[in-house]
Amino acid sequence: AQSVTQLDSQVPVFEEAPVELRCNYSSSVSVYLFWYVQYPNQGLQLLLKYLSGSTLVKGINGFEAEFNKSQTSFHLRKPSVHISDTAEYFCAVTPSGGYNKLIFGAGTRLAVHP
Amino acid sequence: EAQVTQNPRYLITVTGKKLTVTCSQNMNHEYMSWYRQDPGLGLRQIYYSMNVEVTDKGDVPEGYKVSRKEKRNFPLILESPSPNQTSLYFCASSLSYEQYFGPGTRLTVT
Repeated sequence: AQSVTQLDSQVPVFEEAPVELRCNYSSSVSVYLFWYVQYPNQGLQLLLKYLSGSTLVKGINGFEAEFNKSQTSFHLRKPSVHISDTAEYFCAVTPSGGYNKLIFGAGTRLAVHP
Repeated sequence: EAQVTQNPRYLITVTGKKLTVTCSQNMNHEYMSWYRQDPGLGLRQIYYSMNVEVTDKGDVPEGYKVSRKEKRNFPLILESPSPNQTSLYFCASSLSYEQYFGPGTRLTVT
């Protein structure tokens, strides 16, 4: 079985500051990893994904994440945030190999202040 | 445009009154799934379907039913809704590992 822990439920940050949203996972099999973003009153949008290869993954809107197998982490980073990045962010995993459910973390609410 | 649609987007109902939330995708995906989102819990899978007439329980199936008679549609049925099913519901579809989500249905059961 897999589980995902997002270490911060809320992250307040000022505009143009860097941010890191932390995600740890647990799994006895290899997994694919994802970050999704949910803007207010909207569905989930895929930010980025790690399937294999380079451990540094770049996504949309200037976000990137680094897969660390030894620490079973997949932290999301952005060097300079904008007000428009205010949203809830979800880390998720699925066992590698195809069809399967996503196991989500509880979410991190990022609040960007002017 | 490739998309997953859900209807209705908002629904307020009373305990015990049967309801159906529809989900449709136009990407010819085989895999479809329903999730519920609750504060502090993230999203949890209710049911999923690998293909037409093939469905199975997810992590929180109690009180829900699904059917998959056509590839594009995957309705969620609450035969006797209760207040603990008040939640935000998402339908998703995928061809393999990447899932595409609908806009969500906010359900309130009083």
